[in-house]
Amino acid sequence: ILNVEQSPQSLHVQEGDSTNFTCSFPSSNFYALHWYRWETAKSPEALFVMTLNGDEKKKGRISATLNTKEGYSYLYIKGSQPEDSATYLCAFPFYNQGGKLIFGQGTELSVKP
Amino acid sequence: NAGVTQTPKFRVLKTGQSMTLLCAQDMNHEYMYWYRQDPGMGLRLIHYSVGEGTTAKGEVPDGYNVSRLKKQNFLLGLESAAPSQTSVYFCASSSGGLAADTQYFGPGTRLTVL
Repeated sequence: ILNVEQSPQSLHVQEGDSTNFTCSFPSSNFYALHWYRWETAKSPEALFVMTLNGDEKKKGRISATLNTKEGYSYLYIKGSQPEDSATYLCAFPFYNQGGKLIFGQGTELSVKP
Repeated sequence: NAGVTQTPKFRVLKTGQSMTLLCAQDMNHEYMYWYRQDPGMGLRLIHYSVGEGTTAKGEVPDGYNVSRLKKQNFLLGLESAAPSQTSVYFCASSSGGLAADTQYFGPGTRLTVL
């Protein structure tokens, strides 16, 4: 059974704080890791797809790193803003066909002005 | 481009009633997926399709049926709704089925079964 774990489950920060959260996944048979951002009442939106050990991806103030050998990825947000408030989901593919994803339970981020 | 759309947005059913949720995509994607989202559980795959005329079971298929008669549409059916099927349902599509292919999500359907 594949297990994708995210921590913490929720996070409350002040505007301007930098923050990070973790996604843990099985380190064997790694193909890729997806990060999605999901705002309330909207569709989950792809942030990053990471495929190589040591990968680092960046989009504005959000960045992610990947360690496939130990089975974790970190998502960082620098200088959090209220509009960053959302649930951040990571997802691990079942295997390399069919595109089936196992999602973590998400980290719910709330940024207070 | 509308992307992925879902109909309806909200629905309330009584136990035992049936309904069909429609997902449509205009991106010419081969792969389509139905997920359900429950508090504290993330998104779980119900059924998926790798092309027109094909369907396959995901993690939690019981109580649901699907059909993909046209490439752009993926239907999710509940034959006899149960309160345990109260959830938010998301449809997604992707151009390919490889591990690194991004999935594009619809806005969700909030279903309550009384």
